[in-house]
Amino acid sequence: KAGVTQTPRYLIKTRGQQVTLSCSPISGHRSVSWYQQTPGQGLQFLFEYFSETQRNKGNFPGRFSGRQFSNSRSEMNVSTLELGDSALYLCASSVASTNEKLFFGSGTQLSVL
Amino acid sequence: EDQVTQSPEALRLQEGESSSLNCSYTVSGLRGLFWYRQDPGKGPEFLFTLYSAGEEKEKERLKATLTKKESFLHITAPKPEDSATYLCAVFLISGGYNKLIFGAGTRLAVHP
Repeated sequence: KAGVTQTPRYLIKTRGQQVTLSCSPISGHRSVSWYQQTPGQGLQFLFEYFSETQRNKGNFPGRFSGRQFSNSRSEMNVSTLELGDSALYLCASSVASTNEKLFFGSGTQLSVL
Repeated sequence: EDQVTQSPEALRLQEGESSSLNCSYTVSGLRGLFWYRQDPGKGPEFLFTLYSAGEEKEKERLKATLTKKESFLHITAPKPEDSATYLCAVFLISGGYNKLIFGAGTRLAVHP
């Protein structure tokens, strides 16, 4: 069974640009959640999608947005990038909820210059 | 404020030297606690879920325990391949929403 796939693996952008990250969950998993990981803040929850609907949202500005498609694949978008957005962005999937064990992808390492 | 604190931040062990990692939490309405392992350049990998005080789970050299205020991850006779960052996360319901809060992790290095 294929794991959670995130693309791209690495990304370099400049301030003010926007970026879209992609996540393909494990087949049959309907819940997809996104996390930002930095050395200083650790893993912080961005949002969760289930059946194409945002079910939960963390404390991030509106520049961070996401969506989920009918095949459960998800995208995350960050507009007007700031230097502080440099981080590892992790996607996790589960069968139905974040209170189950999560399966994480390897992440997208975003560097904002 | 809901908070999860892991200690120590970093731990260096000799192969075979048993130790424990701590995850303490101050949250209201704890529904469960998770332990994950993260290797460099990879996403976290699930280890255990604990739901109630007194519960214990074991897997190979790892054993996780839970009390009302903290969880321990005991590592018995560790090997170099156990070197990783260990993360705990608490699951609760707050304001009608599921909430998963991760600790900052403990970086474990096991030397031969």
